[in-house]
Amino acid sequence: DAGITQSPRHKVTETGTPVTLRCHQTENHRYMYWYRQDPGHGLRLIHYSYGVKDTDKGEVSDGYSVSRSKTEDFLLTLESATSSQTSVYFCAISEVYPYGYTFGSGTRLTVV
Amino acid sequence: QQQVKQSPQSLIVQKGGIPIINCAYENTAFDYFPWYQQFPGKGPALLIAIRPDVSEKKEGRFTISFNKSAKQFSLHIMDSQPGDSATYFCAAKEGSQGNLIFGKGTKLSVKP
Repeated sequence: DAGITQSPRHKVTETGTPVTLRCHQTENHRYMYWYRQDPGHGLRLIHYSYGVKDTDKGEVSDGYSVSRSKTEDFLLTLESATSSQTSVYFCAISEVYPYGYTFGSGTRLTVV
Repeated sequence: QQQVKQSPQSLIVQKGGIPIINCAYENTAFDYFPWYQQFPGKGPALLIAIRPDVSEKKEGRFTISFNKSAKQFSLHIMDSQPGDSATYFCAAKEGSQGNLIFGKGTKLSVKP
């Protein structure tokens, strides 16, 4: 998707290992979000950022941490991956106005 | 607590039919209601959005109907095509500082 890149696109990791997912934007948008998508649950907000070094928790933040040291990068870290964190992770960006979110192409994470 | 309830979970229609997807919400402070379309392996993409001061909005073959008193809104797809087969998410947002809350999604299949 134009202006927003997620890496890696796919990852398989072992239970108990730390994992970091990266979201990079070239739109200079203020807001950045991490969602996870699971069958039957839709999209659930993990963490979000409203500026450099300004972050807050979402609906399902347990087991996750984030950092935003630059406007363009938003990192999601699983401190110690568990099988319940197997999911597809989406990053999104937005500005104050208009409200529409632009999503990245996602990272499929499998914890074995 | 699910703040946006979406139905049905899945929907199959014939080409040319008019699928209707419904969403209901409780929070009367929500003031922005978008619909997102997601194809397999891709991130959700903004399709159409409405604010509560209008009852209907059309963009091409896609129409949002909004009933403020009933706290419900729906997506209608006119003259549906196999290329419309995707998962559709409704969402709601509260003000410029609120985050998007998503429904659980509807998987639409349009048969040729």
